Amino acid sequence: GESVGLHLPTLSVQEGDNSIINCAYSNSASDYFIWYKQESGKGPQFIIDIRSNMDKRQGQRVTVLLNKTVKHLSLQIAATQPGDSAVYFCAENGNSGAGSYQLTFGKGTKLSVIP
Amino acid sequence: DAGITQSPRHKVTETGTPVTLRCHQTENHRYMYWYRQDPGHGLRLIHYSYGVKDTDKGEVSDGYSVSRSKTEDFLLTLESATSSQTSVYFCAISESSPAGGNNEQFFGPGTRLTVL
Repeated sequence: GESVGLHLPTLSVQEGDNSIINCAYSNSASDYFIWYKQESGKGPQFIIDIRSNMDKRQGQRVTVLLNKTVKHLSLQIAATQPGDSAVYFCAENGNSGAGSYQLTFGKGTKLSVIP
Repeated sequence: DAGITQSPRHKVTETGTPVTLRCHQTENHRYMYWYRQDPGHGLRLIHYSYGVKDTDKGEVSDGYSVSRSKTEDFLLTLESATSSQTSVYFCAISESSPAGGNNEQFFGPGTRLTVL
């Protein structure tokens, strides 16, 4: 598989428990956020997104919480399954300067599910 | 992978040689991006395109060039590969403008490039 899992913080969770993955973002003007899941040897896969005018958004087994006051984003996975084992990272959409918007990605957290 | 293919999937080359990576999409999305992914770093934007023949630089564009002659194809060229360009390269596409506040990007499977 890819070597992108090195140097990442790791979260180990028992199968069936809930997982919470955190992300601190840098730009207070960022207006849109995405969580991605990346399995070994694959490209990032979109999980869920949230706009800056929302505090919470729910999907199937996943919830994203946004706290703009402290520039913090979290991803909650309910009833974690072995197939959830992967690297998870957040991305923020903001003005990178000179009017150019782009996604800025976090380094990621490796989630390991213990059967 | 949302109708995105990348070729080649793996490549080993020598320092100083030119290398071209191809991204092909079947979604007819306007925006296309090239990223590199390295241990200890998040995905970093190399170049992006906002239409045919319209491209712009990203955060780490030095040593790379791009071309987009058709909506479906976005090429990344390393004019003279260096060992520091050993990385995994991902192509992404999006339908909406990044400035539109809904920059949902979909990624291809990646190309692992090794420069010896």
